[in-house]
Amino acid sequence: AQSVTQPDIHITVSEGASLELRCNYSYGATPYLFWYVQSPGQGLQLLLKYFSGDTLVQGIKGFEAEFKRSQSSFNLRKPSVHWSDAAEYFCAVRPGFGNEKLTFGTGTRLTIIP
Amino acid sequence: NAGVTQTPKFQVLKTGQSMTLQCAQDMNHNSMYWYRQDPGMGLRLIYYSASEGTTDKGEVPNGYNVSRLNKREFSLRLESAAPSQTSVYFCASSERQGENTGELFFGEGSRLTVL
Repeated sequence: AQSVTQPDIHITVSEGASLELRCNYSYGATPYLFWYVQSPGQGLQLLLKYFSGDTLVQGIKGFEAEFKRSQSSFNLRKPSVHWSDAAEYFCAVRPGFGNEKLTFGTGTRLTIIP
Repeated sequence: NAGVTQTPKFQVLKTGQSMTLQCAQDMNHNSMYWYRQDPGMGLRLIYYSASEGTTDKGEVPNGYNVSRLNKREFSLRLESAAPSQTSVYFCASSERQGENTGELFFGEGSRLTVL
């Protein structure tokens, strides 16, 4: 079965600093990969997704992620964070076409300090 | 444009009581899901329905039942609530479009406390 690891439970960065959130997955083939964001008291919103093709994908709110097959990673990045980026971020994996089950990581909570 | 609507948003139950969480989506999606979210554990899939009339177990189905009433609605039932079912429950839906599938649209969640 596929699994997702987000090794950082909580990250604190200064406003304007760069950000990288780590995600590693375990699956035999190339899965479908996603990053979701959850603001307090809200549901989850899709930031970006990777199915195939260019390994650097752009998402909403200025986020990007890079798929690295050799490292089984799909890290999320942003060059300069804003106070509004404070939220919890979830990496997720789906085995591929025809399999509907999306597996989520445990999440990384992002705090922004002025 | 409502998207995915869950009711109720908050509920307190006593151990052994039953209740049903309702979910409806207005995006004409085929697939619907129920997840639970617990601190430090992310979201775990309880049940999902790939299409009207079909349901399948996810990672943590014990203690729950589901019903895909029609294409719009997917309900989650707790027959005999237990404190371990205290959680935030999320309903989601998605559409298949060939290989470009997978984006889940989430409701705002239902916070359930079992005493």
